[in-house]
Amino acid sequence: RKEVEQDPGPFNVPEGATVAFNCTYSNSASQSFFWYRQDCRKEPKLLMSVYSSGNEDGRFTAQLNRASQYISLLIRDSKLSDSATYLCVGARPYDYKLSFGAGTTVTVRA
Amino acid sequence: DGGITQSPKYLFRKEGQNVTLSCEQNLNHDAMYWYRQDPGQGLRLIYYSQIVNDFQKGDIAEGYSVSREKKESFPLTVTSAQKNPTAFYLCASIGTGAGELFFGEGSRLTVL
Repeated sequence: RKEVEQDPGPFNVPEGATVAFNCTYSNSASQSFFWYRQDCRKEPKLLMSVYSSGNEDGRFTAQLNRASQYISLLIRDSKLSDSATYLCVGARPYDYKLSFGAGTTVTVRA
Repeated sequence: DGGITQSPKYLFRKEGQNVTLSCEQNLNHDAMYWYRQDPGQGLRLIYYSQIVNDFQKGDIAEGYSVSREKKESFPLTVTSAQKNPTAFYLCASIGTGAGELFFGEGSRLTVL
C-alpha cells in the first residue's frame, strides 16, 4: 500500500464553486504534511503547510485529522487559475523522507 | 537569488548509455532529493541525502546512482540498467526545521 493516497479526480467545477478533496496516509510516523500545486509539465510548488489545528490561506483551507489519518484541502470561490494538480506530501521526522501522493487534478471551467 | 538549478532541461540519449543529471543548490540546505515523475503519475523517490557523503535509496533506486561530495551538489546518474529511463526528473532540497521543499525546474530525459 502506498504511504500517501489521493483521489486522482479529475474534479471538474465551474468558476466560483467550492471543491474539496482528501488525502489519506498509512504511516502514523508521518508528522508533517503539505499541499503542493503542480501545473502541467512544471515543477511542484508549495501551496500550504498543514498544521494540526488546520489552517487557512485566502480561499484555501487545509485540515489534518490524525485520528482518521487524512488531510483535506478545500478551495472556495474557484478561479480558472486554480486548475492544476494538487499533491499531498507526508514527511517522517526521523529521516525526513517525503512521500508524495499521485495528485488530484482540478479543472475549473468558465 | 537562491534556488535549485537542474541541467540539462531536456536530454536525448540512446538506449544503453549512462546519463548524468546535474542538481546544484545555493540555499545552504542539508537534505536533497531526486524524484521521477511519469506522465499522469505522482512523484516517486529515487534517492535522498540528508548530509554530505551520505545518501539513502528511495522507493525506485534500481538503475540509478548518486553522489553527495559537496553540500551544494547532488548529481544523479541514470545507468543502462534502468529499464525504462524516459521520464521527468525532479531534484529538490529542504533546510533543517522541516520547512518548504524547493524544487528545480526538472530535467526531461528521453531515451531513443
